[in-house]
Amino acid sequence: DTEVTQTPKHLVMGMTNKKSLKCEQHMGHRAMYWYKQKAKKPPELMFVYSYEKLSINESVPSRFSPECPNSSLLNLHLHALQPEDSALYLCASSQGWGGSNEQFFGPGTRLTVL
Amino acid sequence: QKEVEQDPGPLSVPEGAIVSLNCTYSNSAFQYFMWYRQYSRKGPELLMYTYSSGNKEDGRFTAQVDKSSKYISLFIRDSQPSDSATYLCAMIVTNAGGTSYGKLTFGQGTILTVHP
Repeated sequence: DTEVTQTPKHLVMGMTNKKSLKCEQHMGHRAMYWYKQKAKKPPELMFVYSYEKLSINESVPSRFSPECPNSSLLNLHLHALQPEDSALYLCASSQGWGGSNEQFFGPGTRLTVL
Repeated sequence: QKEVEQDPGPLSVPEGAIVSLNCTYSNSAFQYFMWYRQYSRKGPELLMYTYSSGNKEDGRFTAQVDKSSKYISLFIRDSQPSDSATYLCAMIVTNAGGTSYGKLTFGQGTILTVHP
């Protein structure tokens, strides 16, 4: 099973709202990732967790706050977003943190900020 | 100049054609190469994963890596309308000590349409 699940599928929020995106995998992977993808562009890395510790933050604004409660779950907390943050947010996981590990993506959450 | 160059297309072919998708890269530290397929409004799906120069085949798909030319290709044989999607190449850097970092560097993606 190479499935990464994400909820919700769609999310519409105002600029003053607080919401969370959730990601789950049961493949025993120890690295999990958040990507942001704008239309007709490739995914852009936001955060990497390795063994439940934040390994990489690609200079993402603090209005995005990641959390890794356990090895299977990854959350992305959203607060005071801007309309330009509207995008497809993708979660991915891999066996470990390194080039010999394939990254598997979830279906994404389509976020619209009004 | 981008680290990874990929012609965005769009590419339109008739059903049954052989499709060739390509990426070039400038950083010789890229050592792991992937091809992802992404349907509209869906997440990318890993199609092929390669390390060595040479060919790797999986069903109708063949991935080719030429590290000396810094060029990778994906061939799709007997293309089907269900192959219509955006194809993304992606690469991972390995340092001189052999340590890899999982950060993917993507090409821009090629939009492929296979018409019946």
